[in-house]
Amino acid sequence: NAGVTQTPKFQVLKTGQSMTLQCAQDMNHEYMSWYRQDPGMGLRLIHYSVGAGITDQGEVPNGYNVSRSTTEDFPLRLLSAAPSQTSVYFCASSHHTYRADEKLFFGSGTQLSVL
Amino acid sequence: AQKITQTQPGMFVQEKEAVTLDCTYDTSDPSYGLFWYKQPSSGEMIFLIYQGSYDQQNATEGRYSLNFQKARKSANLVISASQLGDSAMYFCAMREGTQYFGNEKLTFGTGTRLTIIP
Repeated sequence: NAGVTQTPKFQVLKTGQSMTLQCAQDMNHEYMSWYRQDPGMGLRLIHYSVGAGITDQGEVPNGYNVSRSTTEDFPLRLLSAAPSQTSVYFCASSHHTYRADEKLFFGSGTQLSVL
Repeated sequence: AQKITQTQPGMFVQEKEAVTLDCTYDTSDPSYGLFWYKQPSSGEMIFLIYQGSYDQQNATEGRYSLNFQKARKSANLVISASQLGDSAMYFCAMREGTQYFGNEKLTFGTGTRLTIIP
C-alpha cells in the first residue's frame, strides 16, 4: 500500500533555482492538494486539483505552479526559489465526493531549504 | 479572521491522565466537517477523528473523542488515559460547504504540541 508518495524527502536550493516536488497517489483519488507547513502557522493550502486537467489556487499560491495531467500525479513547481519558500511541503489526496467525512491522506512531506 | 483557532501552543500532561486539546472555529456555512490530525516527530500526518456539523452525537474513536459544542463553535479533542506515544503535534481542521463542488479544502489551525510526561 503505497498511498501518497512524495519525492524528494529533503532538498536544498539556492535562491533563483527552480525545481519540482513530485507527488503520486495510487488510490484513484480525484482530489489532490499541496500544503506548506511553517512553524506557528499550521498547514496552508498552496494549490489543489479536483481532477485531471483541473487546478485551482489555495491560500498561498504565489511562486508555485501545478498541473494535473493524470489522476495519479500532481507535481508542484517552484519557478524561482526564494528563502521565504523554505518550508515543509505536504501533498494530500482524497476521493472527490460530497461526503463531508472524506479525510485527506498525506504524503510523508518534503523538507525544502532555500539559501 | 482565523477560521480555526487553537489557543494552546503547548501542553504537558502526566501519563495516564486525560487531556483536552482546544479548537474553536468560525464559519457561517451550515454544512461543515471538523477533523483532528496527529503529527508525531517523524512528520507524517495521521487522521484521528471526524465530526460533521449535522451529527447528533459526539464522535469517538478508541481513546479519542470529540467534545462538539456547536453553539460555541468548539470541537475539542479529548484523549483518555494518555500514553507516551501520544506526544505529538495535534492539528484541528475544518472543511466548509461540503455540499458544493470545489469546497473540499481543509483549513488547519496552528496546532498544539502535546508532551506526555512519564
